[in-house]
Amino acid sequence: GAVVSQHPSWVICKSGTSVKIECRSLDFQATTMFWYRQFPKQSLMLMATSNEGSKATYEQGVEKDKFLINHASLTLSTLTVTSAHPEDSSFYICSARPPPVTSGRTDTQYFGPGTRLTVL
Amino acid sequence: AQTVTQSQPEMSVQEAETVTLSCTYDTSESDYYLFWYKQPPSRQMILVIRQEAYKQQNATENRFSVNFQKAAKSFSLKISDSQLGDAAMYFCALESAGKSTFGDGTTLTVKP
Repeated sequence: GAVVSQHPSWVICKSGTSVKIECRSLDFQATTMFWYRQFPKQSLMLMATSNEGSKATYEQGVEKDKFLINHASLTLSTLTVTSAHPEDSSFYICSARPPPVTSGRTDTQYFGPGTRLTVL
Repeated sequence: AQTVTQSQPEMSVQEAETVTLSCTYDTSESDYYLFWYKQPPSRQMILVIRQEAYKQQNATENRFSVNFQKAAKSFSLKISDSQLGDAAMYFCALESAGKSTFGDGTTLTVKP
């Protein structure tokens, strides 16, 4: 159980184009999904938190017009990198969290396998 | 702001032996969670172990255990009977107020 998928697993695009990455929770409903960015051999940096049916909350320094996040259903969140440039090349990881089993407690987040984006 | 520090960029261990990975953290929240994640070359993040700050008992999962020292804000991971499949990058993470902060990671090499 608790499987999260991402699509595509890798993508190469030309500078100036937009790329959409999908994150799906396959066997549970995710009230909250997170998007992270990871550079090679570095840590995960939280980009934004998305809650189903509401606007995403972006971390400081992340351009919301550049990285569009939509959490349209309890099993799907999308990240669109608009007008991509080579500096946007990175590994993007999503995670999903089910509703807490116990009120007031936090359940574990489950990670997708990541998407490698290369912008030429 | 919350911070997580992993002071060991690289560690190595002989197969079947024990290794401890260090992690210190800082947060102003009283309610938080601590995690160790494993990231193998596939880059899939795998939860190794989880500790709730309000629990005094150290979490254990088979060969993996933690030493949680709340006053010292320390959360180390001990891997016993190391196996070749344990080789990976290990991240310590702190979650509070719904957000996660990750350390810079420790690359663990297991020597046969």
